[in-house]
Amino acid sequence: RKEVEQDPGPFNVPEGATVAFNCTYSNSASQSFFWYRQDCRKEPKLLMSVYSSGNEDGRFTAQLNRASQYISLLIRDSKLSDSATYLCVVRTHTGGFKTIFGAGTRLFVKA
Amino acid sequence: DADVTQTPRNRITKTGKRIMLECSQTKGHDRMYWYRQDPGLGLRLIYYSFDVKDINKGEISDGYSVSRQAQAKFSLSLESAIPNQTALYFCATSDKGQDGYTFGSGTRLTVV
Repeated sequence: RKEVEQDPGPFNVPEGATVAFNCTYSNSASQSFFWYRQDCRKEPKLLMSVYSSGNEDGRFTAQLNRASQYISLLIRDSKLSDSATYLCVVRTHTGGFKTIFGAGTRLFVKA
Repeated sequence: DADVTQTPRNRITKTGKRIMLECSQTKGHDRMYWYRQDPGLGLRLIYYSFDVKDINKGEISDGYSVSRQAQAKFSLSLESAIPNQTALYFCATSDKGQDGYTFGSGTRLTVV
């Protein structure tokens, strides 16, 4: 089992749709969680950190469920410019530094 | 100028050659990292450094070495390149604590 798993997609949605991605992680000692966005052949860019209480940034909402060991990203009112690959990242500090990237979920938003 | 600069952007090299990828940053961050990305796989950590005197192996360090010449510079070397080291390589930095990374634009390396 991979340490961080994401549905690779692709997710094809129309503009204005709401889309949600989930990411599961295997290490219960994981402490920090992030979502990154990566455009084709470009570097990943931090989209948002994920906090235990959940957090929102404009049209984006991230949630953490420690009991079930998954994080989610919800995108409301999808724009064409949201088309990208979304990477889930999980970091563990206990027993040594370890950051694991998921393979990503591809999103295509169509007009 | 970019906060994290990688050179070269693209490189084609022959099997057995030594090659160095360079990374410099203006973020003032202590922590620097080298990752590689292959299609269908997540980014995988090659080496990381939490300060100038600190070098640590990541999950796929075999065949690679690094040098932290200064707080702002972290270079990755392939001592004897092989075709399965063909990949997209990213340098990243982070501040202490729980922060996310700032990535460079990447180096696309092809070993023929």
